[in-house]
Amino acid sequence: DGGITQSPKYLFRKEGQNVTLSCEQNLNHDAMYWYRQDPGQGLRLIYYSQIVNDFQKGDIAEGYSVSREKKESFPLTVTSAQKNPTAFYLCASRFYNEQFFGPGTRLTVL
Amino acid sequence: QQQVKQSPQSLIVQKGGISIINCAYENTAFDYFPWYQQFPGKGPALLIAIRPDVSEKKEGRFTISFNKSAKQFSLHIMDSQPGDSATYFCAAGGNRDDKIIFGKGTRLHILP
Repeated sequence: DGGITQSPKYLFRKEGQNVTLSCEQNLNHDAMYWYRQDPGQGLRLIYYSQIVNDFQKGDIAEGYSVSREKKESFPLTVTSAQKNPTAFYLCASRFYNEQFFGPGTRLTVL
Repeated sequence: QQQVKQSPQSLIVQKGGISIINCAYENTAFDYFPWYQQFPGKGPALLIAIRPDVSEKKEGRFTISFNKSAKQFSLHIMDSQPGDSATYFCAAGGNRDDKIIFGKGTRLHILP
């Protein structure tokens, strides 16, 4: 099966803790993206990467960090500096113009 | 100039009716306009997309209408079914862009 996997599906974090969300793809796509989704806010871009070992900030990068050491993997770390991290996080990869989304991770800060 | 404005925010349609969602953009460099469908707890999936060289594209019950001069495009769902109940996002992007810009979404509910 080809596609994008995100884990875990649900994640709970205490305030002040860093947490890492996993995103893996076996589509052989170069570009990968992280979005944050809040009710009524649409999809807001956090970080994106066009190629291994390179990534760019999106519109709401503050409090987040990423790495792209392998083509297949693009993990997102939500740091304690992110003021309001409770949200639904979506990872995507891109082939030409089309973006393919993973199933998402719902992060809740307790 | 990077915004994509989507309306309405929510929409209720009777089964068998036509659902219409509208989007407007400002950046004339955009040349790719997709619509995504998202069910609760799932990631969005591409539904249909159009480029500005055509004014309409139809796939089954789903049609995109595109008005280049007005910088507007819309999604029409004919014979709407309860299974179409989902959140729909319009988006816009350009060939030279690494990113696409999403609208804020429309929650569609089809009454049985």
